[in-house]
Amino acid sequence: TQLLEQSPQFLSIQEGENLTVYCNSSSVFSSLQWYRQEPGEGPVLLVTVVTGGEVKKLKRLTFQFGDARKDSSLHITAAQPGDTGLYLCASRSNDYKLSFGAGTTVTVRA
Amino acid sequence: NAGVTQTPKFRVLKTGQSMTLLCAQDMNHEYMYWYRQDPGMGLRLIHYSVGEGTTAKGEVPDGYNVSRLKKQNFLLGLESAAPSQTSVYFCASSYSRGQGNQPQHFGDGTRLSIL
Repeated sequence: TQLLEQSPQFLSIQEGENLTVYCNSSSVFSSLQWYRQEPGEGPVLLVTVVTGGEVKKLKRLTFQFGDARKDSSLHITAAQPGDTGLYLCASRSNDYKLSFGAGTTVTVRA
Repeated sequence: NAGVTQTPKFRVLKTGQSMTLLCAQDMNHEYMYWYRQDPGMGLRLIHYSVGEGTTAKGEVPDGYNVSRLKKQNFLLGLESAAPSQTSVYFCASSYSRGQGNQPQHFGDGTRLSIL
């Protein structure tokens, strides 16, 4: 099982500020997924990155996959209260299973 | 479009009691999963199934059993509940084709407390 480390564990910012959360591993990711989980709900997929150096944008969210495919980051520009949630990264450990990081809890204050 | 439905949403048990959590998906997905989520520990895989009639152990299977008698349903059983099994339980499902890049679709969870 691949171990994924996410940092920081908690992040609280004011509306309009930018933030970045990280996901790292000591081994290479075959692919990486980012999920967002809102309170009382299950995680929902935001993006999948596959190629080293890949950058994907989803409105104000920018996802980067490291060149060596051992790390990834999620950057949110001009955060809004609706961005509040738990952000989880996950990597495929074999054809059937995903391994999840512990997550970063993001709170955006109005 | 219901997606993944979990029942019940909340439950309180006494130590030693048994119960079954039900997961139903209407997307014709081959793969189904049961996770538990505890503070600071992310999602940990309990058991999973790659098709009707098949099940396999995940990362933390002890104290749990599962069954997949129908493709759309995946049941998680606790035979003798223990306080350490207090957690939020999530069911998920996904397509098999290109599985590595397929999303897992999650239910909204079952909040289980064992006293």
